Amino acid sequence: DAKTTQPNSMESNEEEPVHLPCNHSTISGTDYIHWYRQLPSQGPEYVIHGLTSNVNNRMASLAIAEDRKSSTLILHRATLRDAAVYYCIREGSNYKLTFGKGTLLTVNP
Amino acid sequence: GAVVSQHPSWVICKSGTSVKIECRSLDFQATTMFWYRQFPKQSLMLMATSNEGSKATYEQGVEKDKFLINHASLTLSTLTVTSAHPEDSSFYICSARAPATGGRSPLHFGNGTRLTVT
Repeated sequence: DAKTTQPNSMESNEEEPVHLPCNHSTISGTDYIHWYRQLPSQGPEYVIHGLTSNVNNRMASLAIAEDRKSSTLILHRATLRDAAVYYCIREGSNYKLTFGKGTLLTVNP
Repeated sequence: GAVVSQHPSWVICKSGTSVKIECRSLDFQATTMFWYRQFPKQSLMLMATSNEGSKATYEQGVEKDKFLINHASLTLSTLTVTSAHPEDSSFYICSARAPATGGRSPLHFGNGTRLTVT
């Protein structure tokens, strides 16, 4: 049970921002929210993670709703290299990451 | 950044033989590593948690006698698929967590091992 809900697929255009949503309505107060992405035949790549506050790094931004029941991964300017499956994961107190089906992001040139 | 190296990247073996996959944390020590399996067009499934110096803990439904895990040092965990069969053909991925300076650090993943059993 991945305990997060994401759209199966999304499409964007190159150089435009992308907002990838994730619902985690049963999240507990100590669960972290992680985002990873995976290209075919490669291991997942860490994108960003957070607990309560919005987070920014060189790859993306993570916007966490005030009630923490949802979050949004923001890619500020999509490139063709950003095409991948994006996984939103809750990490509980057992430190395990359980992957759901993720969102397949297609970036159009 | 933290790097996890996995070897081999692909392996083909005959049914009934055993295959060992290595997972190394190159620039950090990892007391815990995680092993995942991924079938085509599916998501990653956690198989087991590898603990340095102690027994691995397996997820429900994963046969511990078939998937032997050894975590003998702080930088190396191995997964051995024993008596492999075609249904064990899959993409095996390991991961490890670098020590956190504050809060919770992310997992870093290896590039995976493609196992094909003929």
